[in-house]
Amino acid sequence: RKEVEQDPGPFNVPEGATVAFNCTYSNSASQSFFWYRQDCRKEPKLLMSVYSSGNEDGRFTAQLNRASQYISLLIRDSKLSDSATYLCVVNEVDSSYKLIFGSGTRLLVRP
Amino acid sequence: EAQVTQNPRYLITVTGKKLTVTCSQNMNHEYMSWYRQDPGLGLRQIYYSMNVEVTDKGDVPEGYKVSRKEKRNFPLILESPSPNQTSLYFCASSYSDSSYGYTFGSGTRLTVV
Repeated sequence: RKEVEQDPGPFNVPEGATVAFNCTYSNSASQSFFWYRQDCRKEPKLLMSVYSSGNEDGRFTAQLNRASQYISLLIRDSKLSDSATYLCVVNEVDSSYKLIFGSGTRLLVRP
Repeated sequence: EAQVTQNPRYLITVTGKKLTVTCSQNMNHEYMSWYRQDPGLGLRQIYYSMNVEVTDKGDVPEGYKVSRKEKRNFPLILESPSPNQTSLYFCASSYSDSSYGYTFGSGTRLTVV
């Protein structure tokens, strides 16, 4: 079983739609959680950290469910510029510095 | 501006010709790491370094070397490149506490013919 699993997609949605991605992680002791965004052939960029109580940044909302070991990202009012691959990231439990990256979920927002 | 700088951005080389991809960060980060990214395989870690003179293998270290003589620099060395090392390479850095996330360089697209 992969340590971080994501649906590869692609999710193809119209502009203005709300879309949600889920990610599951295998180690219940993980403490740090992130969503990264990666545009085609470019570097991953930190989109947002994910906190236990859930957090929001504009149109983006991240949730953490520790009991079920999954993380979600909700994007409201999708823009064409949201088209990218979204990577779910979790820290490696035996290390304070290593992060484990999911393979990513691809989002396509169409006009 | 806080950043991770990789060079070159693009490189085409021939099998067996030694090459070095440089990585430098200006954020005084302790931790640095190299990844390769291939279609369908996601990011795979090659080597990482916790601090100066401390390096360790990641998941796919074969065919690569690294060094960490200074805190800011972490070059990736391919002593004898082969076509299966054709890939997109990223350098990343962070504080020793990963709760701040990683900062990535812009990537190096390497083609070995």
